[in-house]
Amino acid sequence: QKEVEQNSGPLSVPEGAIASLNCTYSDRGSQSFFWYRQYSGKSPELIMSIYSNGDKEDGRFTAQLNKASQYVSLLIRDSQPSDSATYLCAAITNKLIFGTGTLLAVQP
Amino acid sequence: NAGVMQNPRHLVRRRGQEARLRCSPMKGHSHVYWYRQLPEEGLKFMVYLQKENIIDESGMPKERFSAEFPKEGPSILRIQQVVRGDSAAYFCASSPPRTGNYNEQFFGPGTRLTVL
Repeated sequence: QKEVEQNSGPLSVPEGAIASLNCTYSDRGSQSFFWYRQYSGKSPELIMSIYSNGDKEDGRFTAQLNKASQYVSLLIRDSQPSDSATYLCAAITNKLIFGTGTLLAVQP
Repeated sequence: NAGVMQNPRHLVRRRGQEARLRCSPMKGHSHVYWYRQLPEEGLKFMVYLQKENIIDESGMPKERFSAEFPKEGPSILRIQQVVRGDSAAYFCASSPPRTGNYNEQFFGPGTRLTVL
């Protein structure tokens, strides 16, 4: 079992819709969780971090964490074509472990 | 406020040569991490360093790969006797001194290594 799992996609949503990206992790000792956005050929960019159960909102982004279910999600409201990228979920215990990413395609 | 800097951005080597990748962390950051990303694969942790110390090298191949973060100057990831399978994007990330388990890492632009 992979330590951090994501659906590779592509996830296709129309412009203006809500994109929902999901991630599960296997290590119950994981304390901190992160979402990175990576455009093709570019480096990962940190967009959200979450440490406690519940929701955390930042602009159009909402991260959700459920430690009992070992589940992390990222919601992107009012999706824009510029949001089209690969979204990497990462969890940390003693080091940062990344999922393989979900490719999001926002259709104009 | 400069971000994480890496150079070179692109590096071409022939099989058997050495590759040296450099990383300067963000100002105020004392922790450096190296990751490798193969095409169509996720980021894989390689090594975690602080100044003059290797903290965790569990992701580093046992042979040909080494890393350092000297007291002065950038962190260096060194690959000796490169092989075609070493072709990948190598990313460096840095973070401020840890507080508990909070450890946001910020990535540099990466070095794309191509081995001919």
